[in-house]
Amino acid sequence: EVQLVESGGGLVKPGGSLRLSCAASGFTFSSYSMNWVRQAPGKGLEWVSSISSSSSYIYYADSVKGRFTISRDNAKNSLYLQMNSLRAEDTAVYYCARRSGYPAFDIWGQGTMVTVSS
Amino acid sequence: EIVLTQSPGTLSLSPGERATLSCRASQSVSSSYLAWYQQKPGQAPRLLIYGASSRATGIPDRFSGSGSGTDFTLTISRLEPEDFAVYYCQQYGSSQYTFGQGTKLEIK
Repeated sequence: EVQLVESGGGLVKPGGSLRLSCAASGFTFSSYSMNWVRQAPGKGLEWVSSISSSSSYIYYADSVKGRFTISRDNAKNSLYLQMNSLRAEDTAVYYCARRSGYPAFDIWGQGTMVTVSS
Repeated sequence: EIVLTQSPGTLSLSPGERATLSCRASQSVSSSYLAWYQQKPGQAPRLLIYGASSRATGIPDRFSGSGSGTDFTLTISRLEPEDFAVYYCQQYGSSQYTFGQGTKLEIK
């Protein structure tokens, strides 16, 4: 079964750091670009970051540039998001998502909740 | 950055009716780069349509997408009870993705 499972969410104080992980299974992880998408409580979807299959191309939304770092380990079938200098507005469910052949996200994880609060 | 505006914000219809959801872009979007998603409460989004008009794997044929340039439409021909959810359009351009704000499809 094709699956993505996020972990690492939790409660963190403003200015703190958190590292999210996404474990992939059921497909050849190293062949796909991967993404992080977030959703603040009661709000819509916001793309956060993307990384190409070999990590050669990495992009960020302006809202997280300079604070978040995306990475992957193809040997471990895992995607990561290092989040530093966290703000209250970073509070959201964070999803990892696989990009299909088209620029669309065909597989999503169940999400992990990040709460930034003092 | 391309802004996507979805309308209406909320659509109230009954099962069996036809739903038409709109997504308008602030500048032209390649049809290959326009997708639609469905999200139910407490669940991750699900890809419905990619390339503006191609159904994703397992998506019933009552869902269809159309449009080009700045105007795109998601149509659900005959609403089933499980179709009531929030729908998002998404575009890709300049190595960035943006989503519309969503249309909530609710039971009338």
